[in-house]
Amino acid sequence: SQQGEEDPQALSIQEGENATMNCSYKTSINNLQWYRQNSGRGLVHLILIRSNEREKHSGRLRVTLDTSKKSSSLLITASRAADTASYFCATDANTDKLIFGTGTRLQVFP
Amino acid sequence: ETGVTQTPRHLVMGMTNKKSLKCEQHLGHNAMYWYKQSAKKPLELMFVYNFKEQTENNSVPSRFSPECPNSSHLFLHLHTLQPEDSALYLCASSQEAGTGFSEQYFGPGTRLTVT
Repeated sequence: SQQGEEDPQALSIQEGENATMNCSYKTSINNLQWYRQNSGRGLVHLILIRSNEREKHSGRLRVTLDTSKKSSSLLITASRAADTASYFCATDANTDKLIFGTGTRLQVFP
Repeated sequence: ETGVTQTPRHLVMGMTNKKSLKCEQHLGHNAMYWYKQSAKKPLELMFVYNFKEQTENNSVPSRFSPECPNSSHLFLHLHTLQPEDSALYLCASSQEAGTGFSEQYFGPGTRLTVT
């Protein structure tokens, strides 16, 4: 079974609302990353949080990490239609490769 | 858009064809990756090259053959593919592989359809 699983699988909100996506993983990690993918395009790195960090911010993004629960959340505040995309978490699982989850598809309606 | 380019962007090939996918990164990175993205499946790592040396082959069938002539270029040679190989193939690069894992930069992908 995969290392990272995002929840929910799909999320629809109105512009201006906040969007929260969760990621759970199974093994210990060195770091966890979040990526965004517009339909049929490559992934874009959003933020990296290390295993000794609990929270990190980047613009309208806020990521939390709870290593005791093996989970992370990505919060997008004041969402915009342009935030419509799929969002993936990726963990290194203490190996030298990234393992991606299946993603959350976010739809932001104007 | 991200310093990693891929060509072609779309490819349709028959099962008996031979084709190649090309990836080039302009970021001065030393590690390059091939991923396969199929519908409703997690992104699958296929190959990793670090300083031109292959460090990971994730049990990929031999009909996929990677080549990394230098740290800036990565190819994926395709031959006698199957319809289930139809997918989006993504190339990525990072500063170096296996060092606490820095972020990866992805190309736009090649949409491959095998008929």
